[in-house]
Amino acid sequence: GAVVSQHPSRVICKSGTSVKIECRSLDFQATTMFWYRQFPKQSLMLMATSNEGSKATYEQGVEKDKFLINHASLTLSTLTVTSAHPEDSSFYICSAGGGGEAFFGQGTRLTVV
Amino acid sequence: QKEVEQNSGPLSVPEGAIASLNCTYSDRGSQSFFWYRQYSGKSPELIMSIYSNGDKEDGRFTAQLNKASQYVSLLIRDSQPSDSATYLCATDTGRRALTFGSGTRLQVQP
Repeated sequence: GAVVSQHPSRVICKSGTSVKIECRSLDFQATTMFWYRQFPKQSLMLMATSNEGSKATYEQGVEKDKFLINHASLTLSTLTVTSAHPEDSSFYICSAGGGGEAFFGQGTRLTVV
Repeated sequence: QKEVEQNSGPLSVPEGAIASLNCTYSDRGSQSFFWYRQYSGKSPELIMSIYSNGDKEDGRFTAQLNKASQYVSLLIRDSQPSDSATYLCATDTGRRALTFGSGTRLQVQP
């Protein structure tokens, strides 16, 4: 099946700094990618839809100025958590493809200290 | 009301038994339904997809869909300790993104 690679798998950063997470589709082109967030013992919640060549679409309650999404090519979407705070600590997961053909990245465990 | 609801568990079954996982959804317009397995600290992996009413079998797994009752279930036969994980029910929102339930933790006792 198609492979989606997400990097880094784990990151620890200091409060107030920014962190960039990359999501790459390795063997197919993805005009749309999705970013999810999962807090401990909770479900995956859609944060935003990343669209190649255009602005991302953010879900209600997700701050677009805090979670910057760039989808500059058909194989790469990035999520930058700006001015990270401890409450941003979570598991961030990207996916490419839709519905039952969604392929998930490995996830990024972000810890803000 | 949550869009996709699951009992958080844990559901504990002995090895070799049938594990039954249930899910209800609120959006009657949902057309596609999925079961994912997620190990701790890992991404979800697709187990089954189902699109029409009735049963769909794949190996030890059977998904059941009842759109009138807005109910989806997953049966795991001959449960193995390696099946111990959190099982997520999900529907396609129509925008191709997925709406997930909070998951049911399954423990298979050796």
